[in-house]
Amino acid sequence: EVQLVQSGAEVKKPGESLRISCKGSGYRFTSYWISWVRQMPGKDLEWMGRIDPSDSYTNYSPSFQGHVTMSADKSISTAYLQWSSLKASDTAMYYCARQGSSSSFDYWGQGTLVTVSS
Amino acid sequence: QSALTQPPSVSGSPGQSVTISCTGTSSDVGSYNRVSWYQQPPGTAPKLMIYEVSNRPSGVPDRFSGSKSGNTASLTISGLQAEDEADYYCSSYTSSSTYWVFGGGTKLTVL
Repeated sequence: EVQLVQSGAEVKKPGESLRISCKGSGYRFTSYWISWVRQMPGKDLEWMGRIDPSDSYTNYSPSFQGHVTMSADKSISTAYLQWSSLKASDTAMYYCARQGSSSSFDYWGQGTLVTVSS
Repeated sequence: QSALTQPPSVSGSPGQSVTISCTGTSSDVGSYNRVSWYQQPPGTAPKLMIYEVSNRPSGVPDRFSGSKSGNTASLTISGLQAEDEADYYCSSYTSSSTYWVFGGGTKLTVL
C-alpha cells in the first residue's frame, strides 16, 4: 500500500527555521516526483514545487522560489520542505503528494499544519 | 486569484447529477490533457478522483466522470450521495513557469 506520512504539526515564531518531512512507503521512492502543496486557512491549493528523489532535481513555482527549499534523502525514502526564516504568512497546511506517470497527484500525505505566530 | 476558475459552490439532491466546471486558458487546460480532479472532505487531505481529463483511478466510483472542451474541463457526479459532500479542485499542467495550477475549489452540498 502506497503511503506518504508527514511529520507532525509545528508552532514557530517569525524568523525561526523549520524543516518538515514526508516519508514514502509501499513503492519505489526514487521512481516518482514528490510535490509540495500549500493550503492556507480556508483557501485553495497552491503548487509550491517538486523534487525528483532520484537525483534531488527540483522545480519551484516562482511564488515560492527563494523562500523554501526542497530536498530528499533517498536512503530513507523521505522528502523535506524547509524554511530558513518563517513569516506569519507561512501559516498553512502543507501537503506532500506523489506525482504519478500521468502527472496527477495520485497519493497525498495527511498534511502538516505549520503555525507561525509571535 | 486562482489560475483556474471554478464556481464557488454547487448543490444537488441525493440521486441527482451535478457538474463542476474548471475554466483555464490555452496555456493550460486548452493545450494539455493533464487535467485532474481532487475531492477534499473537511479536515482531510485531497484525494485523486479523475486524471488525464477523464480517467478514474482504481476504487473511484463510476458515478464520477470527467470531460474537456476547449479551455474548460468538467467533473460530473451522477447519483449524488451524502458522502460526496466535499470541496472539489481541478488542476492542470501549464506551460508557464508555474508548471501546475489549481482551481479555486468548489464546495458541493448534498441537500
